Amino acid sequence: NAGVTQTPKFRILKIGQSMTLQCTQDMNHNYMYWYRQDPGMGLKLIYYSVGAGITDKGEVPNGYNVSRSTTEDFPLRLELAAPSQTSVYFCASSYSDRGYTIYFGEGSWLTVV
Amino acid sequence: GIQVEQSPPDLILQEGANSTLRCNFSDSVNNLQWFHQNPWGQLINLFYIPSGTKQNGRLSATTVATERYSLLYISSSQTTDSGVYFCAVEIDGNYGQNFVFGPGTRLSVLP
Repeated sequence: NAGVTQTPKFRILKIGQSMTLQCTQDMNHNYMYWYRQDPGMGLKLIYYSVGAGITDKGEVPNGYNVSRSTTEDFPLRLELAAPSQTSVYFCASSYSDRGYTIYFGEGSWLTVV
Repeated sequence: GIQVEQSPPDLILQEGANSTLRCNFSDSVNNLQWFHQNPWGQLINLFYIPSGTKQNGRLSATTVATERYSLLYISSSQTTDSGVYFCAVEIDGNYGQNFVFGPGTRLSVLP
């Protein structure tokens, strides 16, 4: 069972470059999330989606964009990368809200230099 | 927004010892979950526990929603319990629920 799959696992970007972090899940989950985790810190929500075509900002959305054209995929776009975006990014999914377990991908380590 | 606090921030134990981790939250929540992040960064769900008590092997959790806290108990700790323990509370977003995470408790179990 693949679960939640993120790519790439590691990436180094130069300041001002753009990239997309890919996330796909094969559990037919409606809810998908992107979190970032800075060193020694907890997870902060960037964006979430409750279904195809519906996305909403989380706590730290600036500098990021998302789209949800299918149930399976929830890519995260970084535009004009900045050193402050150096972090570990986690994609997650759950079937629904109010009581369903949230499943995480293995994380994507991003360094902006 | 809601504030989620965890204590202690760091904990060092000898193998076999017991421990209690605490999560406080500032407002009513719909759900609370505990996660373990292992030293390789992988996040694993431990408990979904909006209220009451649950047990799973050496781990158990209790949430007192009316008093806005949750406790995670680890008994007879093992080195594989090392890592960071997060609580996350489920809150209302514009379109649905999302999770707010606490800062975590970093546990080191020494052999």
